[in-house]
Amino acid sequence: GIQVEQSPPDLILQEGANSTLRCNFSDSVNNLQWFHQNPWGQLINLFYIPSGTKQNGRLSATTVATERYSLLYISSSQTTDSGVYFCAVEEETSGSRLTFGEGTQLTVNP
Amino acid sequence: EPEVTQTPSHQVTQMGQEVILRCVPISNHLYFYWYRQILGQKVEFLVSFYNNEISEKSEIFDDQFSVERPDGSNFTLKIRSTKLEDSAMYFCASRRGWGSGNTIYFGEGSWLTVV
Repeated sequence: GIQVEQSPPDLILQEGANSTLRCNFSDSVNNLQWFHQNPWGQLINLFYIPSGTKQNGRLSATTVATERYSLLYISSSQTTDSGVYFCAVEEETSGSRLTFGEGTQLTVNP
Repeated sequence: EPEVTQTPSHQVTQMGQEVILRCVPISNHLYFYWYRQILGQKVEFLVSFYNNEISEKSEIFDDQFSVERPDGSNFTLKIRSTKLEDSAMYFCASRRGWGSGNTIYFGEGSWLTVV
């Protein structure tokens, strides 16, 4: 099956800093989504972005499908941005399941 | 924004007991899923369901698990005889269609603790 690798595994920032999270995947995809898992365990949908660039407030994401990676940018980070960020992909050639990466644990300190 | 809702939010059960986790997918969605996340690990696919039958399942989804859509709104996951290793967060998800252009929406999860 498809492999999804996220980096870095852990990231600690001071409030106000910017960051870039990366997701590499091993095969062509129909679907790529970024999620934020908050401290209560809820998975919050951030972006549906199989290709191109999207922005939502302080967050933006870019997927370069031909090179099989996606980037999530967080600008002017806040303590409420803390949590785990997951990238998940749906393979082009199999079913409709999402395969998740291991996640990036982000801690934003005041 | 429409939501996927799950109940219960947390359940504690004794090993060997049956558990049913309930989900109400978004109303015009046709594809339904269960995923699970063991504490500290990544989210793993369990099963997908379309047109009143299982369309795909993972190796985790063995004979102890079953899914059902008993009416037009609910989607349930049953674990027949729970084991300690079934302790996890279980997420229900749904989407309107399959393939490109169709976001998968997740519920808030049901924490299952098996003691």
